[in-house]
Amino acid sequence: DAGVTQSPTHLIKTRGQQVTLRCSPKSGHDTVSWYQQALGQGPQFIFQYYEEEERQRGNFPDRFSGHQFPNYSSELNVNALLLGDSALYLCASSLVWSSGLRTDTQYFGPGTRLTVL
Amino acid sequence: EDQVTQSPEALRLQEGESSSLNCSYTVSGLRGLFWYRQDPGKGPEFLFTLYSAGEEKEKERLKATLTKKESFLHITAPKPEDSATYLCAVQGATSGSARQLTFGSGTQLTVLP
Repeated sequence: DAGVTQSPTHLIKTRGQQVTLRCSPKSGHDTVSWYQQALGQGPQFIFQYYEEEERQRGNFPDRFSGHQFPNYSSELNVNALLLGDSALYLCASSLVWSSGLRTDTQYFGPGTRLTVL
Repeated sequence: EDQVTQSPEALRLQEGESSSLNCSYTVSGLRGLFWYRQDPGKGPEFLFTLYSAGEEKEKERLKATLTKKESFLHITAPKPEDSATYLCAVQGATSGSARQLTFGSGTQLTVLP
C-alpha cells in the first residue's frame, strides 16, 4: 500500500521565480493538506483541499496557491519566491469519512526541500 | 487561536533511561491530539491520536496520555533508534480550525548507547 508521495525531493530556485510542488495521497484518501516547515520549527498549515476545492487556509499570502485533481492528487504553487520561502514543504493526506466515522489523522509524505537563493 | 508548547526542547537520555515528553495545549474544543516522530530531513511519521481526557495509547516503548490541558509521551527503556524529534499537534473543533493541525516546535530526543 503506497503511502503519500511527493515530487521533487529537492528544488533550488532564485528570488522572484515560481515553483510547483506535487503530491499523491495515500491510497484511499480524499483530502490533501499542505504544510511549510522551517528549520527547527513545527510544520505550519498552508491550506487543505477536499473535493477539488480549498476548504481551509492558514496565514499564508496569495502567492501560495493550490489545486486538487479528480484523482485526489494535488499541487502547491508559489509565485514570486522570497528567501524566506526556503523550507521543507510537506503534504499530508487523510480520509474525511471511514466506515461512517469521521477521522482526521493526517499522514505525511517525505517532503520537498525548497531552497531559494 | 490554538497553541501548542512542547518541553523540553531537547532531551538526552542514556539507553534504558525512561523519561517523558510534555505537550501543553490551548484549543477551543479539542477534536484530536496527535503525536508524530520526525527523523532529520524526512516527513513526520504518525504515532498516536488521542481524542478525550483520560485516553491512553501504547506502541512498543511509547505510551501517550491525555488530560484536559496537556499530553505526555512516555518512553520506557529507550534505544538509540528512538532518537528523533517528537512533534505534538492539536486539531480544534471550531469551524475555523476544524481541519488544520497546529504543531508545537517539537522535542529533539537523543538516546546514547
